[in-house]
Amino acid sequence: GAVVSQHPSRVICKSGTSVKIECRSLDFQATTMFWYRQFPKQSLMLMATSNEGSKATYEQGVEKDKFLINHASLTLSTLTVTSAHPEDSSFYICSARPSLGTGELFFGEGSRLTVL
Amino acid sequence: AQSVSQHNHHVILSEAASLELGCNYSYGGTVNLFWYVQYPGQHLQLLLKYFSGDPLVKGIKGFEAEFIKSKFSFNLRKPSVQWSDTAEYFCAARYGNNRLAFGKGNQVVVIP
Repeated sequence: GAVVSQHPSRVICKSGTSVKIECRSLDFQATTMFWYRQFPKQSLMLMATSNEGSKATYEQGVEKDKFLINHASLTLSTLTVTSAHPEDSSFYICSARPSLGTGELFFGEGSRLTVL
Repeated sequence: AQSVSQHNHHVILSEAASLELGCNYSYGGTVNLFWYVQYPGQHLQLLLKYFSGDPLVKGIKGFEAEFIKSKFSFNLRKPSVQWSDTAEYFCAARYGNNRLAFGKGNQVVVIP
Protein backbone atom coordinates (compact mmCIF):
# COMPACT_ATOMS: atom_id res chain seq x y z
CA GLY A 1 0.00 0.00 0.00
CA ALA A 2 0.90 3.65 -0.14
CA VAL A 3 3.40 4.90 2.41
CA VAL A 4 3.28 8.05 4.47
CA SER A 5 6.32 8.98 6.50
CA GLN A 6 6.54 11.37 9.41
CA HIS A 7 9.67 12.91 10.80
CA PRO A 8 10.78 13.11 13.52
CA SER A 9 9.07 10.21 15.25
CA ARG A 10 10.05 11.60 18.64
CA VAL A 11 11.10 15.08 19.64
CA ILE A 12 11.79 16.71 22.96
CA CYS A 13 12.05 20.47 23.17
CA LYS A 14 12.19 23.25 25.71
CA SER A 15 9.19 25.39 26.46
CA GLY A 16 9.06 28.45 24.21
CA THR A 17 10.82 26.89 21.24
CA SER A 18 9.26 25.86 17.94
CA VAL A 19 9.15 22.37 16.50
CA LYS A 20 8.52 21.32 12.92
CA ILE A 21 7.05 17.94 12.00
CA GLU A 22 7.13 16.72 8.41
CA CYS A 23 4.64 14.47 6.68
CA ARG A 24 5.64 12.98 3.34
CA SER A 25 3.77 10.76 0.94
CA LEU A 26 6.51 8.56 -0.44
CA ASP A 27 4.96 6.96 -3.47
CA PHE A 28 1.93 9.03 -4.33
CA GLN A 29 0.82 12.60 -4.66
CA ALA A 30 -1.58 14.02 -2.14
CA THR A 31 -3.54 17.17 -2.74
CA THR A 32 -4.96 16.88 0.75
CA MET A 33 -3.30 15.90 3.98
CA PHE A 34 -4.76 15.88 7.47
CA TRP A 35 -3.18 16.54 10.84
CA TYR A 36 -4.48 14.87 13.99
CA ARG A 37 -3.62 15.03 17.63
CA GLN A 38 -4.05 12.05 19.91
CA PHE A 39 -4.16 12.25 23.68
CA PRO A 40 -3.55 9.14 25.77
CA LYS A 41 -6.51 6.78 25.72
CA GLN A 42 -8.46 9.19 23.57
CA SER A 43 -9.50 9.45 19.98
CA LEU A 44 -7.65 11.12 17.18
CA MET A 45 -8.74 14.72 17.03
CA LEU A 46 -8.64 16.35 13.63
CA MET A 47 -6.68 19.58 13.89
CA ALA A 48 -6.62 20.81 10.32
CA THR A 49 -6.90 19.92 6.68
CA SER A 50 -3.85 20.81 4.67
CA ASN A 51 -4.41 21.73 1.03
CA GLU A 52 -1.55 21.92 -1.44
CA GLY A 53 -1.01 25.43 -2.65
CA SER A 54 -3.55 27.05 -0.38
CA LYS A 55 -4.20 27.83 3.25
CA ALA A 56 -5.01 25.06 5.67
CA THR A 57 -8.49 24.69 7.06
CA TYR A 58 -8.43 24.56 10.85
CA GLU A 59 -10.96 22.86 13.06
CA GLN A 60 -12.80 24.88 15.66
CA GLY A 61 -10.70 25.52 18.72
CA VAL A 62 -7.35 24.94 17.02
CA GLU A 63 -5.11 28.01 17.07
CA LYS A 64 -3.85 28.61 13.56
CA ASP A 65 -1.08 30.90 14.76
CA LYS A 66 0.20 28.25 17.11
CA PHE A 67 -0.03 25.29 14.77
CA LEU A 68 1.33 26.47 11.45
CA ILE A 69 0.66 24.19 8.52
CA ASN A 70 2.37 24.42 5.18
CA HIS A 71 1.60 22.17 2.22
CA ALA A 72 4.25 23.32 -0.19
CA SER A 73 4.20 20.37 -2.56
CA LEU A 74 2.04 17.41 -3.47
CA THR A 75 4.17 15.13 -1.29
CA LEU A 76 4.98 17.23 1.75
CA SER A 77 3.05 18.93 4.51
CA THR A 78 4.61 20.39 7.62
CA LEU A 79 3.19 21.18 11.03
CA THR A 80 5.09 23.71 13.12
CA VAL A 81 4.21 24.00 16.77
CA THR A 82 5.27 27.53 17.66
CA SER A 83 6.28 28.66 21.14
CA ALA A 84 5.60 25.21 22.47
CA HIS A 85 4.31 24.68 26.00
CA PRO A 86 4.08 21.49 28.06
CA GLU A 87 0.36 21.23 27.29
CA ASP A 88 1.29 20.85 23.61
CA SER A 89 2.95 17.56 24.45
CA SER A 90 1.05 14.97 22.49
CA PHE A 91 1.12 12.45 19.68
CA TYR A 92 0.66 14.11 16.30
CA ILE A 93 -0.40 12.00 13.32
CA CYS A 94 -0.75 12.96 9.70
CA SER A 95 -2.66 11.26 6.95
CA ALA A 96 -2.69 11.73 3.22
CA ARG A 97 -5.24 11.01 0.58
CA PRO A 98 -3.91 10.16 -2.87
CA SER A 99 -4.97 12.66 -5.48
CA LEU A 100 -5.93 9.70 -7.67
CA GLY A 101 -7.70 7.05 -5.67
CA THR A 102 -10.80 5.87 -3.88
CA GLY A 103 -10.56 8.36 -1.07
CA GLU A 104 -8.74 6.02 1.29
CA LEU A 105 -6.44 7.69 3.77
CA PHE A 106 -2.94 6.51 4.57
CA PHE A 107 -1.45 7.37 7.91
CA GLY A 108 2.01 8.32 9.05
CA GLU A 109 3.58 6.62 12.04
CA GLY A 110 3.03 9.61 14.25
CA SER A 111 5.33 12.02 16.05
CA ARG A 112 5.61 12.10 19.82
CA LEU A 113 6.24 15.65 21.04
CA THR A 114 7.37 16.25 24.59
CA VAL A 115 7.74 19.82 25.74
CA LEU A 116 9.76 20.30 28.90
CA ALA B 1 -21.83 17.50 15.71
CA GLN B 2 -20.44 14.70 13.61
CA SER B 3 -19.10 12.07 15.97
CA VAL B 4 -18.32 8.41 16.32
CA SER B 5 -18.68 6.42 19.50
CA GLN B 6 -17.04 3.14 20.42
CA HIS B 7 -17.88 1.18 23.53
CA ASN B 8 -15.83 -0.92 25.91
CA HIS B 9 -12.48 0.71 25.49
CA HIS B 10 -10.62 -2.33 26.83
CA VAL B 11 -11.45 -5.81 25.60
CA ILE B 12 -9.59 -8.88 26.81
CA LEU B 13 -10.31 -12.28 25.36
CA SER B 14 -8.72 -15.65 24.73
CA GLU B 15 -7.53 -17.00 21.42
CA ALA B 16 -10.28 -18.55 19.31
CA ALA B 17 -12.94 -16.43 21.01
CA SER B 18 -15.21 -14.30 18.87
CA LEU B 19 -14.79 -10.54 18.81
CA GLU B 20 -17.36 -7.86 18.21
CA LEU B 21 -16.62 -4.16 18.57
CA GLY B 22 -19.45 -1.69 18.47
CA CYS B 23 -19.40 1.55 16.51
CA ASN B 24 -22.14 4.14 16.24
CA TYR B 25 -21.95 7.31 14.20
CA SER B 26 -24.00 10.45 14.32
CA TYR B 27 -26.34 11.33 11.52
CA GLY B 28 -24.84 13.52 8.85
CA GLY B 29 -26.25 12.61 5.49
CA THR B 30 -24.10 10.47 3.26
CA VAL B 31 -21.37 8.83 5.27
CA ASN B 32 -18.47 6.52 4.49
CA LEU B 33 -17.38 4.21 7.29
CA PHE B 34 -14.01 2.74 8.13
CA TRP B 35 -12.31 0.51 10.64
CA TYR B 36 -8.61 1.08 11.21
CA VAL B 37 -6.23 -1.02 13.26
CA GLN B 38 -3.02 0.05 14.98
CA TYR B 39 -0.71 -2.77 15.99
CA PRO B 40 1.80 -1.97 18.71
CA GLY B 41 4.48 0.33 17.35
CA GLN B 42 2.96 0.53 13.89
CA HIS B 43 0.94 2.90 11.70
CA LEU B 44 -2.78 2.99 11.54
CA GLN B 45 -3.88 0.58 8.80
CA LEU B 46 -7.19 0.24 7.05
CA LEU B 47 -9.06 -2.96 7.96
CA LEU B 48 -12.14 -2.38 5.88
CA LYS B 49 -14.45 0.30 4.59
CA TYR B 50 -18.04 0.81 3.55
CA PHE B 51 -19.08 3.26 0.87
CA SER B 52 -22.25 1.71 -0.55
CA GLY B 53 -23.72 -1.60 -1.69
CA ASP B 54 -23.64 -4.80 0.33
CA PRO B 55 -23.86 -3.76 3.99
CA LEU B 56 -21.74 -6.71 5.06
CA VAL B 57 -18.16 -5.79 4.32
CA LYS B 58 -15.25 -8.17 4.46
CA GLY B 59 -11.81 -6.87 5.22
CA ILE B 60 -8.33 -8.15 5.75
CA LYS B 61 -7.29 -10.78 8.30
CA GLY B 62 -10.73 -12.32 8.60
CA PHE B 63 -12.49 -9.20 9.84
CA GLU B 64 -15.91 -8.14 8.70
CA ALA B 65 -18.29 -5.32 9.55
CA GLU B 66 -21.98 -4.79 9.07
CA PHE B 67 -23.52 -1.44 8.23
CA ILE B 68 -26.97 -1.08 9.75
CA LYS B 69 -28.38 2.22 8.60
CA SER B 70 -31.39 2.19 10.92
CA LYS B 71 -29.11 1.82 13.93
CA PHE B 72 -26.35 4.15 12.69
CA SER B 73 -23.99 1.30 13.43
CA PHE B 74 -20.97 -0.29 11.81
CA ASN B 75 -19.87 -3.06 14.15
CA LEU B 76 -16.67 -4.99 13.57
CA ARG B 77 -16.52 -8.76 13.99
CA LYS B 78 -14.09 -11.61 13.82
CA PRO B 79 -15.30 -15.16 14.53
CA SER B 80 -12.04 -16.46 15.98
CA VAL B 81 -9.28 -14.14 17.14
CA GLN B 82 -5.58 -14.84 17.29
CA TRP B 83 -2.90 -13.48 19.57
CA SER B 84 -1.70 -11.36 16.65
CA ASP B 85 -5.00 -9.47 16.68
CA THR B 86 -3.87 -7.66 19.82
CA ALA B 87 -4.09 -4.02 18.75
CA GLU B 88 -6.10 -0.86 19.00
CA TYR B 89 -9.09 -0.60 16.70
CA PHE B 90 -10.61 2.68 15.57
CA CYS B 91 -13.92 3.25 13.86
CA ALA B 92 -14.14 6.33 11.66
CA ALA B 93 -16.78 8.10 9.62
CA ARG B 94 -16.29 10.49 6.75
CA TYR B 95 -19.08 12.90 6.11
CA GLY B 96 -19.89 14.96 3.06
CA ASN B 97 -17.48 17.69 4.05
CA ASN B 98 -14.63 15.15 3.83
CA ARG B 99 -13.82 15.41 7.51
CA LEU B 100 -12.98 12.13 9.14
CA ALA B 101 -14.30 11.65 12.67
CA PHE B 102 -12.72 8.93 14.80
CA GLY B 103 -14.05 6.99 17.73
CA LYS B 104 -11.95 6.72 20.88
CA GLY B 105 -10.72 3.29 19.96
CA ASN B 106 -10.89 -0.19 21.45
CA GLN B 107 -7.79 -1.66 23.01
CA VAL B 108 -8.05 -5.39 22.31
CA VAL B 109 -5.79 -7.85 24.08
CA VAL B 110 -5.87 -11.49 23.02
CA ILE B 111 -4.46 -13.93 25.55
CA PRO B 112 -2.76 -17.00 24.08
